[in-house]
Amino acid sequence: QKEVEQNSGPLSVPEGAIASLNCTYSDRGSQSFFWYRQYSGKSPELIMFIYSNGDKEDGRFTAQLNKASQYVSLLIRDSQPSDSATYLCAVRPSTGGFKTIFGAGTRLFVKA
Amino acid sequence: DAGVIQSPRHEVTEMGQEVTLRCKPISGHNSLFWYRQTMMRGLELLIYFNNNVPIDDSGMPEDRFSAKMPNASFSTLKIQPSEPRDSAVYFCASTESSGSYNEQFFGPGTRLTVL
Repeated sequence: QKEVEQNSGPLSVPEGAIASLNCTYSDRGSQSFFWYRQYSGKSPELIMFIYSNGDKEDGRFTAQLNKASQYVSLLIRDSQPSDSATYLCAVRPSTGGFKTIFGAGTRLFVKA
Repeated sequence: DAGVIQSPRHEVTEMGQEVTLRCKPISGHNSLFWYRQTMMRGLELLIYFNNNVPIDDSGMPEDRFSAKMPNASFSTLKIQPSEPRDSAVYFCASTESSGSYNEQFFGPGTRLTVL
């Protein structure tokens, strides 16, 4: 079992729709969870982080965390073509320090 | 701030040659990470340093890979000898480890091709 799993996609949604990206992780003791966005040919950039169970909203983005189910998701409301990118889920395991494990990423296409 | 700086941006070399990748973290950041990204394996952590000291090198594939951080503003990742399966994009990232969530800032990456 991979430490952080994501559906590779591609996920295709029409402009204005809600895009839902999902991620599961294997280390039950993990405490910190991150979503990075990576445009083609570019480096990853952080868009959301979450520590506590529940929802965290930032503009059009909402991160959701369910530690009991070892599940974290990212919702993008009012999707725009500029949101088309690969979204990487990242988890900081319970081993401590700043080691971060990334999922393989989900490719999102937003159709105009 | 110039962000994380990596050089070279592209490297093409022949199998068996030594390759050295360089990274300058953001000033004031005291943790530095080296990642490798391929289509097959995604983004893999190779090694990370805290205050110039290697903390976790469990992701380093084998003895052909080595990394150093002689001071707070410079790190190298060396592959000797290189093999075609080392072809990938290598990212360096840095963070300020005293922060509450420790966002990692990534450099532009070095695209390595080993023929």
